Amino acid sequence: GQQLNQSPQSMFIQEGEDVSMNCTSSSIFNTWLWYKQDPGEGPVLLIALYKAGELTSNGRLTAQFGITRKDSFLNISASIPSDVGIYFCAGFTGGGNKLTFGTGTQLKVEL
Amino acid sequence: DAGITQSPRHKVTETGTPVTLRCHQTENHRYMYWYRQDPGHGLRLIHYSYGVKDTDKGEVSDGYSVSRSKTEDFLLTLESATSSQTSVYFCAISRGQGNGYTFGSGTRLTVV
Repeated sequence: GQQLNQSPQSMFIQEGEDVSMNCTSSSIFNTWLWYKQDPGEGPVLLIALYKAGELTSNGRLTAQFGITRKDSFLNISASIPSDVGIYFCAGFTGGGNKLTFGTGTQLKVEL
Repeated sequence: DAGITQSPRHKVTETGTPVTLRCHQTENHRYMYWYRQDPGHGLRLIHYSYGVKDTDKGEVSDGYSVSRSKTEDFLLTLESATSSQTSVYFCAISRGQGNGYTFGSGTRLTVV
């Protein structure tokens, strides 16, 4: 099946720093989604992207749908302790209803 | 909240025993999904449903079966649990094509 390669696998950053993570695939996706998972909970949708080149923000989060439709990027500005968690990229291909997930980026924030 | 609950939240079972996990939604969504989450693998689709009695396999369906006799309930059954099925299981719902999923809080299953 399709694979989404997410990097980095983990990050340990200082509070206040900006964070960048990305997701790449060998397949074309027509929708990209970014989720965050807190410990002991299910993933929660942060941002959805529907068009190549689209740049969308949600507070301190900004995500982009890559021009090639094979990648997506998530940036978090001025990180705070509650940003800790696992961030997943996910995408739909074609007309399907099945979401493919990346392997996740674990974010740890040092005070 | 999206109105999706999973039960039980935690379960320990012995190898070879049958186990059923339940996902219940209150929003009448057509699509429901079961994923498992394992370190290094992210979330992998087990089975999904696109309506009552309409189900299909995902990428890791071996050893699992599902049933959906009512819109609101989607059951995942491990017919004979194995240690490799120790995992965290998530149910998700969706309004339909291209829409993001809403996830339940998960069931942590340990097979000993």
